[in-house]
Amino acid sequence: GAGVSQSPSNKVTEKGKDVELRCDPISGHTALYWYRQSLGQGLEFLIYFQGNSAPDKSGLPSDRFSAERTGGSVSTLTIQRTQQEDSAVYLCASSFIRTGGLETQYFGPGTRLLVL
Amino acid sequence: TQLLEQSPQFLSIQEGENLTVYCNSSSVFSSLQWYRQEPGEGPVLLVTVVTGGEVKKLKRLTFQFGDARKDSSLHITAAQPGDTGLYLCAGHPYQTGANNLFFGTGTRLTVIP
Repeated sequence: GAGVSQSPSNKVTEKGKDVELRCDPISGHTALYWYRQSLGQGLEFLIYFQGNSAPDKSGLPSDRFSAERTGGSVSTLTIQRTQQEDSAVYLCASSFIRTGGLETQYFGPGTRLLVL
Repeated sequence: TQLLEQSPQFLSIQEGENLTVYCNSSSVFSSLQWYRQEPGEGPVLLVTVVTGGEVKKLKRLTFQFGDARKDSSLHITAAQPGDTGLYLCAGHPYQTGANNLFFGTGTRLTVIP
């Protein structure tokens, strides 16, 4: 399909290990967002990419978190030295250029991360 | 502290009943959106409201944006089991310059057949 895809769908890791989460946005969407959702809760913004501009990293909770977007398309969220409190669903969304809250963000199904 | 508070947090009703979900803030928003999220899926946009006092209808769902642009409500008429899910409001507040949407705390709705 033409929707946002994320991989893996589930990831179980041990405390202290690094993990990489991947997002394939909808083709043609210039904006890409990463959010974190704790069990049954609302979404917490992590990072935002828009075209070739410097990303907005204001939501990253610590320096263990980083993200890249290569070629304006695929994005990878990396969590180093994972902690149990990192366990959550990590959601990626994409949209056309942001227009002051009027854009429609299309979400992927998320990656469920469990840190043991 | 949450910028957008939703109430109730949980709601369980019988099929055919009506319900209202509220989204409140002390901040003014340029627009508010409502999403529904089903288990194992990402949120899906239902509606965007942009004008204070605006009312939008989507079949059995009615969305209202407060006159002061600080709050919104979602009313569902004759709820059906297919309405079950997590309802999230989200918006861009004025004067923050933020690129991201701020999401509410969510309302988990269960409609019992």
